[in-house]
Amino acid sequence: QKEVEQNSGPLSVPEGAIASLNCTYSDRGSQSFFWYRQYSGKSPELIMFIYSNGDKEDGRFTAQLNKASQYVSLLIRDSQPSDSATYLCAAPNQAGTALIFGKGTTLSVSS
Amino acid sequence: EAGVVQSPRYKIIEKKQPVAFWCNPISGHNTLYWYRQNLGQGPELLIRYENEEAVDDSQLPKDRFSAERLKGVDSTLKIQPAELGDSAVYLCASSPSTSSGGNTIYFGEGSWLTVV
Repeated sequence: QKEVEQNSGPLSVPEGAIASLNCTYSDRGSQSFFWYRQYSGKSPELIMFIYSNGDKEDGRFTAQLNKASQYVSLLIRDSQPSDSATYLCAAPNQAGTALIFGKGTTLSVSS
Repeated sequence: EAGVVQSPRYKIIEKKQPVAFWCNPISGHNTLYWYRQNLGQGPELLIRYENEEAVDDSQLPKDRFSAERLKGVDSTLKIQPAELGDSAVYLCASSPSTSSGGNTIYFGEGSWLTVV
């Protein structure tokens, strides 16, 4: 059974700082990873996905994948209070037909 | 383009009562998922449909849960009878056919169930 692990937090950073969210996974065969953001009382929304080792940047967000260490992270630069949310890491299941989610890390950005 | 639509958004029922949730996926998405999210947890898959066929229902508690997607578009998830532990958010999601290799899924706003 694949597992995706995240530190539930909360992670607190001041406005303008870099927030670093981490995720580890159990299956070395996993090829793709997804980061979803979930505001309180709302449903998850996709913010990034990454397939290849290394970094992928999209605006203030950077996803980093290290397959050797089975580690994926999300960096948020110039954090804003509006970034305060729970961030869910996800990977495909064994059959590659659905996503398995971690428990999520709650991020709080203080102004 | 309209997103995944779910109803009702909120439901409060007494234990042992039935409840049903409805979902309309993104147009053209053949794959439909029902996930359940408990407080403080990530979403957990209940069932996945490819068109009208339930191709993964291994996590669906079949003694009280049922689902259908009769015409391969809308779907209904039913719980009968509901138990206190069923209080959760029921998330419907859709994605283009997995045969395309894409796993990105898009969630609806969720149906928030409270069983009292």
